[in-house]
Amino acid sequence: DAKTTQPTSMDCAEGRAANLPCNHSTISGNEYVYWYRQIHSQGPQYIIHGLKNNETNEMASLIITEDRKSSTLILPHATLRDTAVYYCIVNQASYDKVIFGPGTSLSVIP
Amino acid sequence: GAVVSQHPSRVICKSGTSVKIECRSLDFQATTMFWYRQFPKKSLMLMATSNEGSKATYEQGVEKDKFLINHASLTLSTLTVTSAHPEDSSFYICSATDGAYEQYFGPGTRLTVT
Repeated sequence: DAKTTQPTSMDCAEGRAANLPCNHSTISGNEYVYWYRQIHSQGPQYIIHGLKNNETNEMASLIITEDRKSSTLILPHATLRDTAVYYCIVNQASYDKVIFGPGTSLSVIP
Repeated sequence: GAVVSQHPSRVICKSGTSVKIECRSLDFQATTMFWYRQFPKKSLMLMATSNEGSKATYEQGVEKDKFLINHASLTLSTLTVTSAHPEDSSFYICSATDGAYEQYFGPGTRLTVT
């Protein structure tokens, strides 16, 4: 079973920041938080991951709470191409098998 | 970044026939590959873990005799759906890892069994 809970769906206006929350209250000390997304009829795409510090890359920012029980993925300026299902995953390593939950379906609206 | 390809991208086969799906790592050696299945509007479900040179490990409820997995080289794993039936119609996705750094997903194969 997935170790995370996410809202089923969210809407975001184009050009605004999309903030996608994730709860992972049972995360272990050696587990990372990973985010993937899946655009319709494509394979999942890696976005970002972190252990306890906030992380930023060219795609997104990841904010992890101090107790590590939740995190937020931020897409700073959402575009229509960001419409996808976003999966929050907890894993010990990037090369471990990924158990996907239902994810959050993000719709970016013009 | 690293690339994983799948072939074919789409396949239609008749009920009772077998179909093979290939997963290739194009610029790295994949010691492990994973196979997933995804039904419409559902999340990805892990089917099996494939390690190069050894037998695949199947998740509970996945029939190993129906979904044959071969990982004969460090760049290729194949999934064969044997005696396919309409209920096997799905989106099949593989991922590959070198066991050290990242895991990369393929673009998926849409299987339709008529």
